Amino acid sequence: IAGITQAPTSQILAAGRRMTLRCTQDMRHNAMYWYRQDLGLGLRLIHYSNTAGTTGKGEVPDGYSVSRANTDDFPLTLASAVPSQTSVYFCASSARDSQDTGELFFGEGSRLTVL
Amino acid sequence: GQNIDQPTEMTATEGAIVQINCTYQTSGFNGLFWYQQHAGEAPTFLSYNVLDGLEEKGRFSSFLSRSKGYSYLLLKELQMKDSASYLCAAYDSNYQLIWGAGTKLIIKP
Repeated sequence: IAGITQAPTSQILAAGRRMTLRCTQDMRHNAMYWYRQDLGLGLRLIHYSNTAGTTGKGEVPDGYSVSRANTDDFPLTLASAVPSQTSVYFCASSARDSQDTGELFFGEGSRLTVL
Repeated sequence: GQNIDQPTEMTATEGAIVQINCTYQTSGFNGLFWYQQHAGEAPTFLSYNVLDGLEEKGRFSSFLSRSKGYSYLLLKELQMKDSASYLCAAYDSNYQLIWGAGTKLIIKP
């Protein structure tokens, strides 16, 4: 089944630890995104990639890094986790071509708790 | 700054009709999305409007007025499974998506 897969689905992490959230899509979408979702706030963009080999900063990039070595994978790394990074993280992808509305397809989310 | 406003929470009765409003202020505009998100799940696409007017898709319709910076999502014949958050998002001139905080819709029997 085509789609977008995130791992882990849930993780409890000690502050100061390094953590990588994995994201893989098999739809051959050009664009990929990482969002965080916190209660009472809209989805906030952390980083994005319009195509393999390129990345860009979103609204809340500090403390996070990404890479896009190929079309399918877009991992998000927290170099040294802090409690304010406790959140639900969603990876998403879109085709982003002239024939497409740019509809985003979301992974199931990764719930991260930093203690 | 860029902003999306939508009500925090709404309550409606099963079988009724509900309208969820969204107003947007963006630097340029390239379309507006509505997504549905059930508790603990990922958002899923409902509709996309880029031209003024009403788009109907089964029990759900979405309306856009570009001159007023306004959209609404209309849900008819409400079912209990429609209890969810509804997210409004608009593309700005750079095709960056600006998201509202979402409207939590509670359906009562």
